[in-house]
Amino acid sequence: DIQMTQSPPTLSASVGDRVTITCRASQSINNWLAWYQQKPGKAPKLLIYKASSLESGVPSRFSGSGSGTEFTLTISSLQPDDFATYYCQQYNSPWTFGQGTQVEIK
Amino acid sequence: QVQLVQSGAEVKKPGSSVKVSCKTSGGPFSTYTITWVRQAPGHGLEWMGRIIPILGKPNYAQKFQGRVTITADKSTSTAYMELSSLTFEDTAVYFCARDRVVTVPAALGYWGQGTLVTVSS
Repeated sequence: DIQMTQSPPTLSASVGDRVTITCRASQSINNWLAWYQQKPGKAPKLLIYKASSLESGVPSRFSGSGSGTEFTLTISSLQPDDFATYYCQQYNSPWTFGQGTQVEIK
Repeated sequence: QVQLVQSGAEVKKPGSSVKVSCKTSGGPFSTYTITWVRQAPGHGLEWMGRIIPILGKPNYAQKFQGRVTITADKSTSTAYMELSSLTFEDTAVYFCARDRVVTVPAALGYWGQGTLVTVSS
């Protein structure tokens, strides 16, 4: 199975900061990479699909980049609503998730 | 508007089975992949398997092979996930999710609210 290594596990940041989360696949996944945001007690929410496509309704401060095996999620200016846990997921089959990155208030 | 509504919380004994349902509405059912994901307390997301109702043949994560059964009832637009031989480590919130688009592969655009399954003696 393809392994997804996400870093960092925890990130402390302030409102307005630029935040970057990295996800590395153990082999090429042809850009079949999604990013999700999850808040406590809630289902995950899709932010980015196909590595860099913004899901409808998601604020433009979220962006995704990368190809092959290295991918990043960037939040250009962190907002209070963005403190949450973020997961990458490869859907090149079989599907696997990264371990998650908790973005907490500094 | 697409909605996925899951069945309620369950408490099960070790060694027993649990069956969780996921009723979809607001869009076609048969042609979209339904995926099951679980999350143990304080842990990350774990992909369990998926099914395309119109094809009927599920794919399972290797970890759950032989212990999980995913089915879909096209007449009621409902997907099911049954997990057998439960252990304490199966205590988790189980989510169903639907692909954002009909073409595969696709990311998970719509999610159920989650079903807490507690395994307790």
